Amino acid sequence: GQNIDQPTEMTATEGAIVQINCTYQTSGFNGLFWYQQHAGEAPTFLSYNVLDGLEEKGRFSSFLSRSKGYSYLLLKELQMKDSASYLCAVRALESGAGSYQLTFGKGTKLSVIP
Amino acid sequence: GAGVSQSPRYKVAKRGQDVALRCDPISGHVSLFWYQQALGQGPEFLTYFQNEAQLDKSGLPSDRFFAERPEGSVSTLKIQRTQQEDSAVYLCASSSSGGKPYEQYFGPGTRLTVT
Repeated sequence: GQNIDQPTEMTATEGAIVQINCTYQTSGFNGLFWYQQHAGEAPTFLSYNVLDGLEEKGRFSSFLSRSKGYSYLLLKELQMKDSASYLCAVRALESGAGSYQLTFGKGTKLSVIP
Repeated sequence: GAGVSQSPRYKVAKRGQDVALRCDPISGHVSLFWYQQALGQGPEFLTYFQNEAQLDKSGLPSDRFFAERPEGSVSTLKIQRTQQEDSAVYLCASSSSGGKPYEQYFGPGTRLTVT
């Protein structure tokens, strides 16, 4: 089975930097994903890590350490519109059915305040 | 271009009624997933299609849940004899076989409320 942990809520100030951590335990590993989900909307893809290290994409960066079962999402120059839930998800090694299903954490609700 | 669409966006059903939720994936996307998202939780996997073949239905919570994708495009998730615990947002996602196959594109979801 798989277990994914991330903080339930975080608050940060506009213009600041925030780091959202995610730890996972999985029987296999084939990639870690971060999604952003605004209230009442669909999750939208932010980043994908399959190898150790940092992936940077504009104001957003994601880090992965496979040996530690650990990832973080770093958001820089926070804007009010970044207030949303951030979902960490893991894809396990392919099952016999070839499913690429994702296992999600419960999400971290980020509130950006002025 | 058009993204994943789902209908209806909201559905209220009385306990015991049957419901059908529709998903139109991005044109040409081979893979289609259904997830269930309870309030304040992350999405949970229900089932997976590759074209018309349902390759994984391990996440379906009971035999009241049934999904199909007969022509390899539109998919329908059917819930028979709905129960209050079925109340959730049902998300559909699709991904391509080429390009970035790991990126799943989600639809806006159908919010099901069972009264």
